[in-house]
Amino acid sequence: DTEVTQTPKHLVMGMTNKKSLKCEQHMGHRAMYWYKQKAKKPPELMFVYSYEKLSINESVPSRFSPECPNSSLLNLHLHALQPEDSALYLCASSQGTGPQMYEQYFGPGTRLTVT
Amino acid sequence: AQTVTQSQPEMSVQEAETVTLSCTYDTSESDYYLFWYKQPPSRQMILVIRQEAYKQQNATENRFSVNFQKAAKSFSLKISDSQLGDAAMYFCAYRSAIPPTGAGSYQLTFGKGTKLSVIP
Repeated sequence: DTEVTQTPKHLVMGMTNKKSLKCEQHMGHRAMYWYKQKAKKPPELMFVYSYEKLSINESVPSRFSPECPNSSLLNLHLHALQPEDSALYLCASSQGTGPQMYEQYFGPGTRLTVT
Repeated sequence: AQTVTQSQPEMSVQEAETVTLSCTYDTSESDYYLFWYKQPPSRQMILVIRQEAYKQQNATENRFSVNFQKAAKSFSLKISDSQLGDAAMYFCAYRSAIPPTGAGSYQLTFGKGTKLSVIP
């Protein structure tokens, strides 16, 4: 099973709402990632978890709060977002984050619209 | 810092024909990995092909092959016998194999992408 799943597929939220995005993988991978992707642009890395510990935070605003409850799950908690945060949010996983050629497997993404 | 350049924002190819997507990168490192990812419209991003920089042999996956020129820092993707399902955004990506400084974690550096259309 080489699948990364994400829920929900679509999310519309107001600027005062609190919502969460969920990601799950059952490949035994120990690294998980959150990316933000705007239309016709490449993904931009937001966060990296390695062995359930946050190892990278790419200067993301605090209205985005990641959480890794266990090695298979990754959440992204959203609060007080801005319209410019509307984008496709991609989750990915890889076996690890070491020097080996760990390819990343991507989920289908959550299309977020902030109104 | 490494950069990845895809100079062709859009390309088109006739069904059953061959097309080559270009990718160049800039790095001072000698050990790294290169990838081509495919992202069809409203569908999942998937890995098409990968190349280890220390391997001289060009990677091949069925109809997909690369032309890896390490000295020229070029990594082009050739798609043979193009099919309608090949229509997608293609991203070239670079990943270092050298331990990062600070809190780095061997991140992927993506190019801006090439949108490929397949004409029936």
